[in-house]
Amino acid sequence: DAGVIQSPRHEVTEMGQEVTLRCKPISGHNSLFWYRQTMMRGLELLIYFNNNVPIDDSGMPEDRFSAKMPNASFSTLKIQPSEPRDSAVYFCASSPDRSQETQYFGPGTRLLVL
Amino acid sequence: QKEVEQNSGPLSVPEGAIASLNCTYSDRGSQSFFWYRQYSGKSPELIMFIYSNGDKEDGRFTAQLNKASQYVSLLIRDSQPSDSATYLCAVDPGGGADGLTFGKGTHLIIQP
Repeated sequence: DAGVIQSPRHEVTEMGQEVTLRCKPISGHNSLFWYRQTMMRGLELLIYFNNNVPIDDSGMPEDRFSAKMPNASFSTLKIQPSEPRDSAVYFCASSPDRSQETQYFGPGTRLLVL
Repeated sequence: QKEVEQNSGPLSVPEGAIASLNCTYSDRGSQSFFWYRQYSGKSPELIMFIYSNGDKEDGRFTAQLNKASQYVSLLIRDSQPSDSATYLCAVDPGGGADGLTFGKGTHLIIQP
């Protein structure tokens, strides 16, 4: 299994630009999670999906952030417009069905907003 | 707000000794507890999970849970330089594949 796949691995953009992060979960996993990690705040859950449906988006910082999961094998996290304080590592993780509670993390996208 | 607290460290332990990492959590209803290891520049990697009070052993790792004290710990026996990493404690407040609440992690250094 290829594991969770994220793209791009690194992104540098200017303030005000739109940023789209992509994630392909492990095949067969029903739950998908987006996290953000910074030195100041640690690892924070932004949103998670179960069977492609958003379950909890209370961690999404503000309206500039949006996430979609159009099918079981793909999800996007979009920031529009981006701001320097959005600079962080964004991780996607996936998990098997709800009877199991382990999550497998992707390699992350390192975002720098100038 | 649900919180998970860890000492940020660094915690320095000589090679071959036991490393003890601690974590407290605020939500008394929390059900499941996880320890992740994260090497610098890499993604978190699950090493242990525990659901019930007491100890759970897996190789050189032992997780300990005390729900009454809202305390979970990770012991690493015969610590190796390759164990040097940041260890994240994570708590799942409910059953099922819900999102985890993470502590900020403890930076562990194993001195050769």
